[in-house]
Amino acid sequence: GDSVTQMEGPVTLSEEAFLTINCTYTATGYPSLFWYVQYPGEGLQLLLKATKADDKGSNKGFEATYRKETTSFHLEKGSVQVSDSAVYFCALGNYGQNFVFGPGTRLSVLP
Amino acid sequence: SQTIHQWPATLVQPVGSPLSLECTVEGTSNPNLYWYRQAAGRGLQLLFYSVGIGQISSEVPQNLSASRPQDRQFILSSKKLLLSDSGFYLCAWSVRGRPGTTSSGANVLTFGAGSRLTVL
Repeated sequence: GDSVTQMEGPVTLSEEAFLTINCTYTATGYPSLFWYVQYPGEGLQLLLKATKADDKGSNKGFEATYRKETTSFHLEKGSVQVSDSAVYFCALGNYGQNFVFGPGTRLSVLP
Repeated sequence: SQTIHQWPATLVQPVGSPLSLECTVEGTSNPNLYWYRQAAGRGLQLLFYSVGIGQISSEVPQNLSASRPQDRQFILSSKKLLLSDSGFYLCAWSVRGRPGTTSSGANVLTFGAGSRLTVL
């Protein structure tokens, strides 16, 4: 079945550092890809999405590009802030199946 | 706009006691509804999903059950809680139809704020 793999972390960065969280997937057909963010004590919020190959999702300075040739959807941000500290989940939605989530990556940004 | 509510936000229960977590969605009709569990420091585990009233699919065998008495209401229950039931429970909804995609593209999963259950 479909699956999502992402680096589990924790990832610790200093403020203004560059962020990359890797995500790769295995799926049949043409899934949609998502990044969700979970702040402490809260539910998951959709951060960005991409629905087809070469699409770039972006929001709040975060970006991820749907790469079908490498089956990847890496999350990047050029300059992280303390307020970006959270758990980030890569997810996949495929036709006729339930959403599949990666294990989550905990990010801590230090001032 | 659509909103999703779940309660209670926090619950502390003794082992062997019953459980009822409730989730409601506003601003949409015929949604798909989901219950996920997140154990401490762990990822998400899909527990139940529903595509319509009275239609419940269970993803894992467990001490919990789910019901959908109304179109936009989803309830997670247990008759006797176990220590291992502790965790963060998340309700979610998506546009009705086959999950993962719609004719317009991505079908997004929208989560509630979560309910933290501690079983002592």
